[in-house]
Amino acid sequence: GQNIDQPTEMTATEGAIVQINCTYQTSGFNGLFWYQQHAGEAPTFLSYNVLDGLEEKGRFSSFLSRSKGYSYLLLKELQMKDSASYLCVEGGFQKLVFGTGTRLLVSP
Amino acid sequence: DADVTQTPRNRITKTGKRIMLECSQTKGHDRMYWYRQDPGLGLRLIYYSFDVKDINKGEISDGYSVSRQAQAKFSLSLESAIPNQTALYFCATSGVAPDTQYFGPGTRLTVL
Repeated sequence: GQNIDQPTEMTATEGAIVQINCTYQTSGFNGLFWYQQHAGEAPTFLSYNVLDGLEEKGRFSSFLSRSKGYSYLLLKELQMKDSASYLCVEGGFQKLVFGTGTRLLVSP
Repeated sequence: DADVTQTPRNRITKTGKRIMLECSQTKGHDRMYWYRQDPGLGLRLIYYSFDVKDINKGEISDGYSVSRQAQAKFSLSLESAIPNQTALYFCATSGVAPDTQYFGPGTRLTVL
């Protein structure tokens, strides 16, 4: 996706913590979403940040800094089922702009 | 039952054929979207609709057309399919933006 930058791939170990970073273009910004997508399946909603700060939801947390055009998704106590792509998505009034995703591989 | 459904789930067709992909939703959302996903390119928006009378082109609308038959139904057509339209196609719905989009299970289309 244009103007959204996130790492292509990351690896981590079961039980560990991983942080996936995302930078985006700040003009016309109306919120930052994170989606999870398993291979061949539909993306599913994880989190939404519109204000600066950390949003915690169970093992997943998402952080936003509007002034820096920066967000991260933090995954704790990694499980094998967390192996998936994580999409950073910029929200606008009319449509979403999807990043190309970070493929996370969790190993035993 | 799934909130957003797509038919067919898989389709193999030949170059030049007309193909229609259908999407239905029971979420009561006004906004519906069609995306395609290709390896390494992420999701790209083809068309979107804010209500039955409102249709908008996305970033890659060439070669595609859509029809919003009702609030709950949004179909995507490939008038004359070509091999580079081989991709995974997703339909999505949302409430008033900025809002979470809910995706259908996808249609895997192969054009030979």
